[in-house]
Amino acid sequence: SQQGEEDPQALSIQEGENATMNCSYKTSINNLQWYRQNSGRGLVHLILIRSNEREKHSGRLRVTLDTSKKSSSLLITASRAADTASYFCATDRNYGQNFVFGPGTRLSVLP
Amino acid sequence: EAGVAQSPRYKIIEKRQSVAFWCNPISGHATLYWYQQILGQGPKLLIQFQNNGVVDDSQLPKDRFSAERLKGVDSTLKIQPAKLEDSAVYLCASSPLAGNYNEQFFGPGTRLTVL
Repeated sequence: SQQGEEDPQALSIQEGENATMNCSYKTSINNLQWYRQNSGRGLVHLILIRSNEREKHSGRLRVTLDTSKKSSSLLITASRAADTASYFCATDRNYGQNFVFGPGTRLSVLP
Repeated sequence: EAGVAQSPRYKIIEKRQSVAFWCNPISGHATLYWYQQILGQGPKLLIQFQNNGVVDDSQLPKDRFSAERLKGVDSTLKIQPAKLEDSAVYLCASSPLAGNYNEQFFGPGTRLTVL
């Protein structure tokens, strides 16, 4: 069964705007990761946030984690056309040995 | 450093045929993963190796899927016989160590179409 569920399923914004994607999960986690997948390509790791962290930044990316609500958000600021991709959250399973990926949010950034 | 290599990139077969995919992980990465990604869905873990041992194959349909990682480096994933629902992208990933403290590095995937 899938652990993480991203919301919305699809998001379309204009270049320069901010994009926010959410991930909700059901059971307790140790860590949560966000990945990006460009069309026809493999996934690229964006950021990992541990359960004792509330917020992390990486360039134009900001990730928050609220363990009480079992949710995380990924914010991309000042979006660019090159940010057009699918974004997945991954939560740990099997006692932290590996991950389960959500269905993803498909982001389109229009020039 | 070279990334995760996969071949072939595309494969079209008829149902009930057999197919094999190959993966060469990043040099020195102990852990190797095979995922199945159906169109519009997230990747689903099929099998995880640590060196040449299996860590997790709980989601691998063992009646038709098999995988091996001889010598703890390259890996092959085989489907025999293929079904229509096996149409998907098969992704290989590797990481230096097991566990969720490490990011995974993904290959470009093999797109399988079963007719």
